[in-house]
Amino acid sequence: QVQLQESGPGLVKPSETLSLTCTVSAGSIGGSYWNWIRQAPGKGLEWIAYIHYTGSTNYNPSLRSRVTISLDTSRNQFSLKLSSVTAADTAVYYCARSLLRQPADYWGQGTLVTVSS
Amino acid sequence: EIVLTQSPATLSLSPGERATLSCRASQSVSSAYLAWYQQKPGQAPRLLIYGVSTRATGIPDRFSGSGSGTDFTLAITRLEPEDFAVYYCQYYDHSPYTFGQGTNLEFK
Repeated sequence: QVQLQESGPGLVKPSETLSLTCTVSAGSIGGSYWNWIRQAPGKGLEWIAYIHYTGSTNYNPSLRSRVTISLDTSRNQFSLKLSSVTAADTAVYYCARSLLRQPADYWGQGTLVTVSS
Repeated sequence: EIVLTQSPATLSLSPGERATLSCRASQSVSSAYLAWYQQKPGQAPRLLIYGVSTRATGIPDRFSGSGSGTDFTLAITRLEPEDFAVYYCQYYDHSPYTFGQGTNLEFK
């Protein structure tokens, strides 16, 4: 079954860019939608964006101006960049897979990113 | 944007009892795109139910979903100790794919 693993810095300074990568294993990037979802400490879930294996993207309007999602099919990876971060961006960031018109069914374990100087 | 409101915020029950969790949408939504997740501390969410009432792979039949329009329900019959967790509903028809704020199902 599909496995996902997030990687990236656990600490980012305010105003800088948060960069995370999700590596997909035991499955192909093809045919699926690849999502980023976050959860602030003690809070609920917030969908950030997805990228389709064809390269089409969809962003949460509340974050659209600061988010870029990209795909590297040769490495079976997709990535998230979130610019101009503040303490409010401190969260566990999850990558997840979904299929067309379906909810996320496979998730990574999540990675905590703290925004602090 | 669809806003999902879950109630109660906390539900205190004992193993063997029945749990009923509510998710109300700010406007009528298509039933085809309502999901429920379970999340335990330190873990990623786990998909339980999609399309309002279809159980995801490997989900026991004590979990069931129902509802339409603006009101949706997750029911858990005969609570097992491993069922005590936080539950989220999600609407995934169109962006942004919003989640409810969660219901914490705790031991009484």
